[in-house]
Amino acid sequence: GQNIDQPTEMTATEGAIVQINCTYQTSGFNGLFWYQQHAGEAPTFLSYNVLDGLEEKGRFSSFLSRSKGYSYLLLKELQMKDSASYLCAVNDDYKLSFGAGTTVTVRA
Amino acid sequence: IAGITQAPTSQILAAGRRMTLRCTQDMRHNAMYWYRQDLGLGLRLIHYSNTAGTTGKGEVPDGYSVSRANTDDFPLTLASAVPSQTSVYFCASSPSGTSGYNEQFFGPGTRLTVL
Repeated sequence: GQNIDQPTEMTATEGAIVQINCTYQTSGFNGLFWYQQHAGEAPTFLSYNVLDGLEEKGRFSSFLSRSKGYSYLLLKELQMKDSASYLCAVNDDYKLSFGAGTTVTVRA
Repeated sequence: IAGITQAPTSQILAAGRRMTLRCTQDMRHNAMYWYRQDLGLGLRLIHYSNTAGTTGKGEVPDGYSVSRANTDDFPLTLASAVPSQTSVYFCASSPSGTSGYNEQFFGPGTRLTVL
């Protein structure tokens, strides 16, 4: 079976940095995705990691360690619009298994 | 450019009724998926289709059926709705269902309430 864990909630101040951790235990691994989901909306793609290391895309970066079954999403220079849920998803047997999501609240 | 659309946006349904949720994509993606999203549980895969004419079961398929007669459409049917099927349903598509880089594009969702 699949086990994907991430914190339920995080709160941070505008302009700060937040790191969302994701640990996984899956029967297969073909890559790890991060999605952003604003309340009442559909998830949208943020990042993809298949090799160990850091992938940087503007204010967002994602890191992967396959040997540790661990990833994190780093959000820098937080803006109010970054208040959303962030979903970690593992490509296991070519289907995505999602964590429950981390709700990030950005305060002024 | 529509991308992926779902209908209806929301629905209140009496238990025991039959309901079909519609999903259409215009991106010519081979793979399509149905998820349900419940508070605290995240997105769970109901059924999927890697290509027109084929379907497969996901994590929570009981009580649901799908068909994939063509590339664009992937309807989800609840044969006899029960209150535990109250949820937000998302349809998604991806260019390939057998690729490691399986970025999925999601529809806007259908909020279903079964009373």
